Amino acid sequence: QQPVQSPQAVILREGEDAVINCSSSKALYSVHWYRQKHGEAPVFLMILLKGGEQKGHEKISASFNEKKQQSSLYLTASQLSYSGTYFCGATADRGSTLGRLYFGRGTQLTVWP
Amino acid sequence: DGGITQSPKYLFRKEGQNVTLSCEQNLNHDAMYWYRQDPGQGLRLIYYSQIVNDFQKGDIAEGYSVSREKKESFPLTVTSAQKNPTAFYLCASSNSYGYTFGSGTRLTVV
Repeated sequence: QQPVQSPQAVILREGEDAVINCSSSKALYSVHWYRQKHGEAPVFLMILLKGGEQKGHEKISASFNEKKQQSSLYLTASQLSYSGTYFCGATADRGSTLGRLYFGRGTQLTVWP
Repeated sequence: DGGITQSPKYLFRKEGQNVTLSCEQNLNHDAMYWYRQDPGQGLRLIYYSQIVNDFQKGDIAEGYSVSREKKESFPLTVTSAQKNPTAFYLCASSNSYGYTFGSGTRLTVV
């Protein structure tokens, strides 16, 4: 039930854009996105519910395609502070954003000046 | 400020010893979780609890034990039965708006 993230790693120059995908073979109810800096705790970015909802956080936004069982995280005009490992987490329980999350293996994003 | 406190930050365990990792939250969240993180593996769920005095095994519960006697506290014991305990351990709590993670405990077997 672990979601699959792609790509595994991304290297960008400051100002470039990136897309990170998170897909599942099981029906999803909600998708969470987190960013983790090395040696630190993951930090919550956003949560998306099924229905194709799109959300934004600074220049980071995400979408949830229920038909494809996929969520995508969009990083626009990347900044050095965006470097880190991005995890998606998914819940399969209908009617709930609570309960255990199934996390992907993470996408390591590196932004160079 | 509300948050989750994990202690200690670093822990060294000798072979055959049990050790307990502390996790305390003041967010008034009902649900709490323990994850293990190894390089390239992502976050793997050890145990979780959605209510006081109740908890469920996650995907890698063997060699670990937990208790949930208070809403605020969810300690994890790494027993001698856990053959490869060296890892980064993260505690989290959640409400309907998402998870909040503690800063983690790095456990090393010496």
